[in-house]
Amino acid sequence: DAGITQSPRHKVTETGTPVTLRCHQTENHRYMYWYRQDPGHGLRLIHYSYGVKDTDKGEVSDGYSVSRSKTEDFLLTLESATSSQTSVYFCAISMPDGTEAFFGQGTRLTVV
Amino acid sequence: DAKTTQPPSMDCAEGRAANLPCNHSTISGNEYVYWYRQIHSQGPQYIIHGLKNNETNEMASLIITEDRKSSTLILPHATLRDTAVYYCIVRVLAGNQFYFGTGTSLTVIP
Repeated sequence: DAGITQSPRHKVTETGTPVTLRCHQTENHRYMYWYRQDPGHGLRLIHYSYGVKDTDKGEVSDGYSVSRSKTEDFLLTLESATSSQTSVYFCAISMPDGTEAFFGQGTRLTVV
Repeated sequence: DAKTTQPPSMDCAEGRAANLPCNHSTISGNEYVYWYRQIHSQGPQYIIHGLKNNETNEMASLIITEDRKSSTLILPHATLRDTAVYYCIVRVLAGNQFYFGTGTSLTVIP
């Protein structure tokens, strides 16, 4: 497995509370991604980062923010969680030279 | 916008070749075709990628049509462990994003 750790792996939170998911890599890869996966939608890109403090929006970025202050960490924050954000969240890393992306094991988030 | 079209599901007999099609009619000249698979709820796993030539590795073969508007992933001897959702992805070079569609759910039947 590529050196990707997502934390927490499971979380239940209440509507309206802030939530931060962490993705940590030991591979020194430049690119990092956050995806969400829901039934019937496959994986959808939320945000991605192409370097420290360099981030951009994906296709479903509303309600999410990200930060990357170090190469190895990419944080996904839900400022005020909603039930529609109940999902499985995957982090991925890649190099910009055309090689593959490596995925973490996912974080299952339930907003009640 | 996933930019690819795949059948939602397919079956394949164990030991036979599994041929998974993908349409990507709007692919640009500098975009690669990638294939990933996802077993149960694990993170997606890279299988293979190519630009315009056919590619083969220890897991699979990738056949890309001459006009690059479609491709086929071939698992030469499918096993039960190949039961998974297979995603065909066109990689946008700018920003290095990977956009997934809904994939093809492959069931290998004993």
